[in-house]
Amino acid sequence: SAVISQKPSRDICQRGTSLTIQCQVDSQVTMMFWYRQQPGQSLTLIATANQGSEATYESGFVIDKFPISRPNLTFSTLTVSNMSPEDSSIYLCSCLGEWDEQFFGPGTRLTVL
Amino acid sequence: KNEVEQSPQNLTAQEGEFITINCSYSVGISALHWLQQHPGGGIVSLFMLSSGKKKHGRLIATINIQEKHSSLHITASHPRDSAVYICAVKGMDSNYQLIWGAGTKLIIKP
Repeated sequence: SAVISQKPSRDICQRGTSLTIQCQVDSQVTMMFWYRQQPGQSLTLIATANQGSEATYESGFVIDKFPISRPNLTFSTLTVSNMSPEDSSIYLCSCLGEWDEQFFGPGTRLTVL
Repeated sequence: KNEVEQSPQNLTAQEGEFITINCSYSVGISALHWLQQHPGGGIVSLFMLSSGKKKHGRLIATINIQEKHSSLHITASHPRDSAVYICAVKGMDSNYQLIWGAGTKLIIKP
């Protein structure tokens, strides 16, 4: 199994600012993902974080708004840029285990005022 | 119609009761996940199934591929089981993308 930690666990931010969320996995993994869960909604995949290359974004998400870094096989960051209240969500980091099990971090609860 | 449907949406039960949460899907799948989300937001993967039945402690998950249906059972339920239980499937044509159910909010009263 993989254990994922995220920082910060929660934050309250002002409109127009940016927040970087860190995701650390306790083992090397090939696939890492970033999800968003808006209030009362299911999870939505933002992007796949690729090590050594640009992230692969899903429809509706762009790099300028959600830049992602993946410097190695255990770490990734997601930045939520130029935030607005609509960005208030839980952001979750995830990875695939050796047998395609999906592991999730504890989430970062973001509130934008 | 959603590709993954869960029932019930909400479930309140007394401690000790046997709980069943259902998941039906309309696409061909390579795997089905059951996950648990606590109020703080973190998600725990409970099971990944492609056939048959799996058991872990008081939790049992079953899947019927022909009927495109899975169930999650909790025996001897306890207030700490209160959470949202989510079913998600990986489609046959998908590398990693999961199709998510809306979740079932379970409350177990002492």
